Amino acid sequence: GDSVTQMEGPVTLSEEAFLTINCTYTATGYPSLFWYVQYPGEGLQLLLKATKADDKGSNKGFEATYRKETTSFHLEKGSVQVSDSAVYFCALINNAGNMLTFGGGTRLMVKP
Amino acid sequence: GAVVSQHPSWVICKSGTSVKIECRSLDFQATTMFWYRQFPKQSLMLMATSNEGSKATYEQGVEKDKFLINHASLTLSTLTVTSAHPEDSSFYICSAGPRTSGAPETQYFGPGTRLLVL
Repeated sequence: GDSVTQMEGPVTLSEEAFLTINCTYTATGYPSLFWYVQYPGEGLQLLLKATKADDKGSNKGFEATYRKETTSFHLEKGSVQVSDSAVYFCALINNAGNMLTFGGGTRLMVKP
Repeated sequence: GAVVSQHPSWVICKSGTSVKIECRSLDFQATTMFWYRQFPKQSLMLMATSNEGSKATYEQGVEKDKFLINHASLTLSTLTVTSAHPEDSSFYICSAGPRTSGAPETQYFGPGTRLLVL
């Protein structure tokens, strides 16, 4: 079945540091890939998405590129802020259905 | 656009009572909504898929008589936790997605409902 693997957290960075959160997936066909962010005490918000190979999703300074050859969708940001502290979930929807498959989540902590 | 709301955001109840949680898509129609449960510091666990006008599809290990799901319209799904017990205390999140042609749906999530059963 489909699966998503994320690097385990927590990831602790200083403000303005470079962020990478690794995500790899296993799926049949051509899934759509997503990054969701969950701030403390809240639900999930869609951060960015990519629907086909080599697409780059971007939003709020975050970006991720759909790499089919490495089955990866790593999340990056050039300069993190304290307000980016949250849990980040990588996910996919297989084109055979409409159910999200989530990674385990990665907690990011940004210190001033 | 693509806003999903949940109500209530917080509920505290006594053991043995039933609690209803509403999930609404505010600016789009959703033939399918999803209910998740999230334990502290863990990922989301899909409980069931709610289908408008038909019975919900439950994931393995989820008691359908315990967690009643009704998808009465294209913008509303409800989850009722019947005879709630302390072990049902959790963060419940719903999601829905407008269907677009071609690519699989993007799902948008509600803000979640935190249930505490005393």
